Amino acid sequence: AQSVTQLDSQVPVFEEAPVELRCNYSSSVSVYLFWYVQYPNQGLQLLLKYLSGSTLVKGINGFEAEFNKSQTSFHLRKPSVHISDTAEYFCAVSDPWEGAQKLVFGQGTRLTINP
Amino acid sequence: GAGVSQSPSNKVTEKGKDVELRCDPISGHTALYWYRQSLGQGLEFLIYFQGNSAPDKSGLPSDRFSAERTGGSVSTLTIQRTQQEDSAVYLCASSLESGDYEQFFGPGTRLTVL
Repeated sequence: AQSVTQLDSQVPVFEEAPVELRCNYSSSVSVYLFWYVQYPNQGLQLLLKYLSGSTLVKGINGFEAEFNKSQTSFHLRKPSVHISDTAEYFCAVSDPWEGAQKLVFGQGTRLTINP
Repeated sequence: GAGVSQSPSNKVTEKGKDVELRCDPISGHTALYWYRQSLGQGLEFLIYFQGNSAPDKSGLPSDRFSAERTGGSVSTLTIQRTQQEDSAVYLCASSLESGDYEQFFGPGTRLTVL
């Protein structure tokens, strides 16, 4: 079964600093990878996804992630964060061989931006 | 509506009572998913519908949990004889079709079992 590990439960960063949120997944076979963001008291919103093709994926709000098959990683990055990026971020994986319906999520990383 | 809606937004119930949680997917979306978000377990998949059928119920934690979908639209998640460990936020998502299509999430129903 697939599993996802988000190595940091909390990441505090100063405004305008760069940030990287780390995500590793368990399987070495083909996977689909996702990053979702959850703002306080809201549902999950898709930031970006990797299905195939270029390993560098660009998403909304200036975020990007790089798929690294050999490291089984899909780290999320942003070169300069804003106060509005304060939220919880979830990495998720699905298995295309099983129809890709079920998302398996990591435990989440709470990103706090300090002025 | 533009997005996935869920009702109620909050539900407080007593242990042993039954609850029903409702999800209205985005119009035209054929696939619908239920997830549960709790402090101890994080975000867990519960069940997935394609149309009115549920090909994957593997995440339902016990036979106290059931779900149905009617008319290829609204879905209801029912929890019978609620227990305190059922307290969580129940999230619904829908996608245009099953597979690699983006899942759009609703705001969730926060269930508290006293």
